[in-house]
Amino acid sequence: DTAVSQTPKYLVTQMGNDKSIKCEQNLGHDTMYWYKQDSKKFLKIMFSYNNKELIINETVPNRFSPKSPDKAHLNLHINSLELGDSAVYFCASSQAGLISYNEQFFGPGTRLTVL
Amino acid sequence: TQLLEQSPQFLSIQEGENLTVYCNSSSVFSSLQWYRQEPGEGPVLLVTVVTGGEVKKLKRLTFQFGDARKDSSLHITAAQPGDTGLYHCAGEYASSNTGKLIFGQGTTLQVKP
Repeated sequence: DTAVSQTPKYLVTQMGNDKSIKCEQNLGHDTMYWYKQDSKKFLKIMFSYNNKELIINETVPNRFSPKSPDKAHLNLHINSLELGDSAVYFCASSQAGLISYNEQFFGPGTRLTVL
Repeated sequence: TQLLEQSPQFLSIQEGENLTVYCNSSSVFSSLQWYRQEPGEGPVLLVTVVTGGEVKKLKRLTFQFGDARKDSSLHITAAQPGDTGLYHCAGEYASSNTGKLIFGQGTTLQVKP
């Protein structure tokens, strides 16, 4: 069984479009995250939710809006896509995420390409 | 800006050689983790260190946390082609209480047979 799953795996779209990436975890974890990995493979946290409550909200453009309908799901909606949004987006989850040394389990990533 | 400097960013070595990857910061960490990422997949945790001076071993991999908890290293002995991958260090600063992980720039390791 997949622990953290993301859909879609690949997303190619035009500038200005709105798109969503979905994430689900079946680990029973309390905390979920979104990360962005740029072309240099650098991983940067975007958001985290703990039991559906927003905990971390980095300096991300407000075109990015996370939504957590329940603690097993954290979706990422992006409005008015820009070329610079092209990256690989990773969802992750952990138990008791306010404690950093808990292991984070990452999904397989969504490669977003904005043309 | 709080940074976690990871070096080297690229490393290409022959099978059987040893190597060390470093992560350094001017700030103190409450914990530091090392992840490994394969192409097309997400990072997978290798180890977590939480105590200054701590050393952990995972087969041919040795992880060390600096005494002052500002730096860490990953040493691989007798590297094998299966060690090829992207290695990340990541830590939470001691001043943070949100579980936020700061990642280093990553080290792409290629071990040639």
